[in-house]
Amino acid sequence: GENVEQHPSTLSVQEGDSAVIKCTYSDSASNYFPWYKQELGKRPQLIIDIRSNVGEKKDQRIAVTLNKTAKHFSLHITETQPEDSAVYFCAEKGGYQKVTFGTGTKLQVIP
Amino acid sequence: SQTIHQWPATLVQPVGSPLSLECTVEGTSNPNLYWYRQAAGRGLQLLFYSVGIGQISSEVPQNLSASRPQDRQFILSSKKLLLSDSGFYLCAGGGRTEAFFGQGTRLTVV
Repeated sequence: GENVEQHPSTLSVQEGDSAVIKCTYSDSASNYFPWYKQELGKRPQLIIDIRSNVGEKKDQRIAVTLNKTAKHFSLHITETQPEDSAVYFCAEKGGYQKVTFGTGTKLQVIP
Repeated sequence: SQTIHQWPATLVQPVGSPLSLECTVEGTSNPNLYWYRQAAGRGLQLLFYSVGIGQISSEVPQNLSASRPQDRQFILSSKKLLLSDSGFYLCAGGGRTEAFFGQGTRLTVV
């Protein structure tokens, strides 16, 4: 079945540094890869996504890269700020029409 | 735009009592709908997903069930709650791509 591995589970960075979160997936039919940010006690919110026909996508300080051959994709946050502190989830959607999430990464940005 | 309505936001129920959480979708038709559970500090566990009316797929054996009586309505139920059913329940819906989440229901079984 579908499986998404996400690393690291926790990540601490100094304010202004970059943060990178990586995910791997197993379903070769996966064609859509969203990333969600969940602040404490709130619902996950979609922050960026990428489709299988694109290798990289950027939106201001966040970017996502996709390597379909290796079946992995990554979230990059540059110039991190304290408000970036949250739990981040990667996800994939493929042939089975369901969204499968990674296990989450708790990011802490230290002022 | 697509909106997921989920209620209630918090719920405290005694062990053995029934449960019914409702989720409705606006802004899209024939959405895929999902129920997730999130334990404190943990990831998102997919409980059920549905691609259409009356079509429910269960991901894990459990004390819960789901139903989809209408295209934009998804209900999570239990006949008798267990202590282990406590958690943060999230309904999500989406078209062919991303999933949007409801506000979540924090369920405490006492």
